[in-house]
Amino acid sequence: QSDLTQPASVSGSPGQSITISCTGTSSDVGSYNLVSWYQQHPGKAPKLMIYEVSKRPSGVSNRFSGSKSGNTASLTISGLQAEDEADYYCCSYAGSSTYVFGTGTKVTVL
Amino acid sequence: EVQLEESGGGLVQPGGSLRLSCAASGFTFSGYWMAWVRQAPGKGLEWVANIKQDGSEKFYVDSVKGRFTISRDNAKNSLYLQMNSLRAEDTAVYYCAKYVSSSLDYWGQGTLVTVSS
Repeated sequence: QSDLTQPASVSGSPGQSITISCTGTSSDVGSYNLVSWYQQHPGKAPKLMIYEVSKRPSGVSNRFSGSKSGNTASLTISGLQAEDEADYYCCSYAGSSTYVFGTGTKVTVL
Repeated sequence: EVQLEESGGGLVQPGGSLRLSCAASGFTFSGYWMAWVRQAPGKGLEWVANIKQDGSEKFYVDSVKGRFTISRDNAKNSLYLQMNSLRAEDTAVYYCAKYVSSSLDYWGQGTLVTVSS
């Protein structure tokens, strides 16, 4: 049950695109298309942004997209906006009804 | 509107116990897996435990096995986390959350548990 690895921080200017990686193993990310992504603003509860690798819940901007290749999942934010500044966490199903979160990435809008 | 409201957090001494509750409304509580997720101060999210719709299956992160027990009362639309033998490293905000498609689509606002002498 080791944390998935994310970069500590990613930054970009308004309007740019950024990508956050989430690296796991063949026991979690690599084995299941059950990766989700969460956005968390300071002092707030996390919010689901992407589920099942690339699906967007109703109400989430289409500027957010997800993908996966091998043991690494990715979240891309296009047309970066000031409101996107937050912490982002990936999460993967890890088998036997257990889950593991990523280490978290702080996104800064320059 | 889906709502999840945690309660029961507070200050407890090492080795002590605490029971967290989560009151659910706005959805058919008995139809969904539920989970507890925690976040230590200034740290990332950690999945703690989850429970099947009827309470027949429960799963835990290794660090709380044998100390924490997740349960639910579908008649009361409530989720619980009984925490025993608490340690300093259990200090965190504890969130309850609802599952859909192996992801957590609704979260409560969290309740703070502080383990300190």
